[in-house]
Amino acid sequence: ETGVTQTPRHLVMGMTNKKSLKCEQHLGHNAMYWYKQSAKKPLELMFVYSLEERVENNSVPSRFSPECPNSSHLFLHLHTLQPEDSALYLCASSLHLEGIYEQYFGPGTRLTVT
Amino acid sequence: DQQVKQNSPSLSVQEGRISILNCDYTNSMFDYFLWYKKYPAEGPTFLISISSIKDKNEDGRFTVFLNKSAKHLSLHIVPSQPGDSAVYFCAATNAGNNRKLIWGLGTSLAVNP
Repeated sequence: ETGVTQTPRHLVMGMTNKKSLKCEQHLGHNAMYWYKQSAKKPLELMFVYSLEERVENNSVPSRFSPECPNSSHLFLHLHTLQPEDSALYLCASSLHLEGIYEQYFGPGTRLTVT
Repeated sequence: DQQVKQNSPSLSVQEGRISILNCDYTNSMFDYFLWYKKYPAEGPTFLISISSIKDKNEDGRFTVFLNKSAKHLSLHIVPSQPGDSAVYFCAATNAGNNRKLIWGLGTSLAVNP
């Protein structure tokens, strides 16, 4: 148990569906991240929120829409996805302080787009 | 172009022996390096890190060595245990990179009893 939870753990959705991924951290951190992990590719950073403000959007298609209502919760809203979006989506959190770079991950949501 | 490279996709080691996982990087601006371990169906777990002002950091059975001139770091696990079997990821960043970690592809370690 890393203190970062993600729901659902598995999701199958059609290309016309709308769904949301949820992440919650119980570590008192103030920065949160969404990553995508695809087979044979390095972890890809999608979004970074620091102190509830989005500070990084790594050229992610608009069919992925993040939301960070407070420092403990992060959502990823999904709509009209493509089959190539099937991947493991990981949420992470960290303490945004100088010299601290360690990020703590949730278990991930395995997404399949049919 | 991959800035962090883990050139060995897999490694097999006998229980009790040393495991050495390697990582190379190309960006000389990186000044902080991290190792993560990942079991199937779980997220990566932070293992150990090292700042570029050091050349070694040790935590129990895990030691990370950094060779800045060679742009190379390695993770030593000794003695290796079957529970260490997992995928190990190397990541790098620098203070001016907006906390962005750049990741390697990982090395799958199998520790055989």
